[in-house]
Amino acid sequence: GQQLNQSPQSMFIQEGEDVSMNCTSSSIFNTWLWYKQDPGEGPVLLIALYKAGELTSNGRLTAQFGITRKDSFLNISASIPSDVGIYFCAGQVGNFNKFYFGSGTKLNVKP
Amino acid sequence: GAVVSQHPSWVICKSGTSVKIECRSLDFQATTMFWYRQFPKQSLMLMATSNEGSKATYEQGVEKDKFLINHASLTLSTLTVTSAHPEDSSFYICSASKVAGGIRWNEQFFGPGTRLTVL
Repeated sequence: GQQLNQSPQSMFIQEGEDVSMNCTSSSIFNTWLWYKQDPGEGPVLLIALYKAGELTSNGRLTAQFGITRKDSFLNISASIPSDVGIYFCAGQVGNFNKFYFGSGTKLNVKP
Repeated sequence: GAVVSQHPSWVICKSGTSVKIECRSLDFQATTMFWYRQFPKQSLMLMATSNEGSKATYEQGVEKDKFLINHASLTLSTLTVTSAHPEDSSFYICSASKVAGGIRWNEQFFGPGTRLTVL
């Protein structure tokens, strides 16, 4: 499968701080997506990006599709305790809609 | 909405037995479903892509005879772990693709996962 490098692996931040995480790959993707997964549950889609250079927001979340189509970042502004969880990037390739997931970023928010 | 369910949510079985996991799209038709495996503190690894009415396409390194996938209808796909062993213990997650007509991308909606423990 495709290799997606996601960083950082984990983060410990104070409530109210902004957070940034990113994914890079040596492969080109058609679509970049960001998911959040809570323990024992399936991932939930946060943001989907479809065009190189696209910048999309969803509330306090902002994500961008890199110009080279090989990277993407996710920013969370003014973090709150319920932001705690594991965030995954995913890249989609080809016409068969396959997704390949990054290794995840575990976010911890101190109240 | 686009809700995907999985059944069972957790299962414990003895080594050597087979376990079937169901994935259903509840309020939409899914031409494609995907099966992932996730080990503790690791990412989701795509196992196979399942298209309704045709054979599943397996990712490299995934044994098709061990992980049997059936996609009999537009709302149901099943994964059967045959002759399960303790190393098959994992969190299995399915997703269903809802085709948006005329648009190339297909968003995936994930099920809640099935925790398999093989003793």
